[in-house]
Amino acid sequence: AQSVSQHNHHVILSEAASLELGCNYSYGGTVNLFWYVQYPGQHLQLLLKYFSGDPLVKGIKGFEAEFIKSKFSFNLRKPSVQWSDTAEYFCAVTASGGSYIPTFGRGTSLIVHP
Amino acid sequence: DVKVTQSSRYLVKRTGEKVFLECVQDMDHENMFWYRQDPGLGLRLIYFSYDVKMKEKGDIPEGYSVSREKKERFSLILESASTNQTSMYLCASSPGVTNTGELFFGEGSRLTVL
Repeated sequence: AQSVSQHNHHVILSEAASLELGCNYSYGGTVNLFWYVQYPGQHLQLLLKYFSGDPLVKGIKGFEAEFIKSKFSFNLRKPSVQWSDTAEYFCAVTASGGSYIPTFGRGTSLIVHP
Repeated sequence: DVKVTQSSRYLVKRTGEKVFLECVQDMDHENMFWYRQDPGLGLRLIYFSYDVKMKEKGDIPEGYSVSREKKERFSLILESASTNQTSMYLCASSPGVTNTGELFFGEGSRLTVL
């Protein structure tokens, strides 16, 4: 079974700072990778996803993530955060060709001060 | 636009009460899921369903049951609510044949058990 580890549980930044949230997974086979975001009071929504191809994936609102297979990582980045990026971020993984039931990390709470 | 609707956003129940959480999706998805979300623990899978009248246990099924009588509706049942079931409950769905693991979430039902 796969597992997901998000290293940063709470991150506090000022506007315009750069962001990188770590995500590592454990699974020996081919995976699909996801980042979801939950803004205060809203439902979880997909930020970006990786299935195959270019390991640098661009998502909504200026976010991107890079899949590094050798490191089993899928870190989320944004060069300049805004106050509106305050949210909880979840990394998730599914095993390709498997049951497609995602395993989620424990989440990272991001607070951006204006 | 895809839509997963959870009938109750906020519920307050007493210990021992039977609780029903309802979820409806309008995307004709085969797969439906119930997660609970707790601070620091991320999303944990309670039950999921691949098809009408089919259900599978997730990681934390104890104290819960589910019902899926129609494709669009997936209900979570707490037979006898306990205080440790106070949590945010998230319903999600995903397609069957074209499934990649991406989930579509409802807005959540926050349950408080007194």
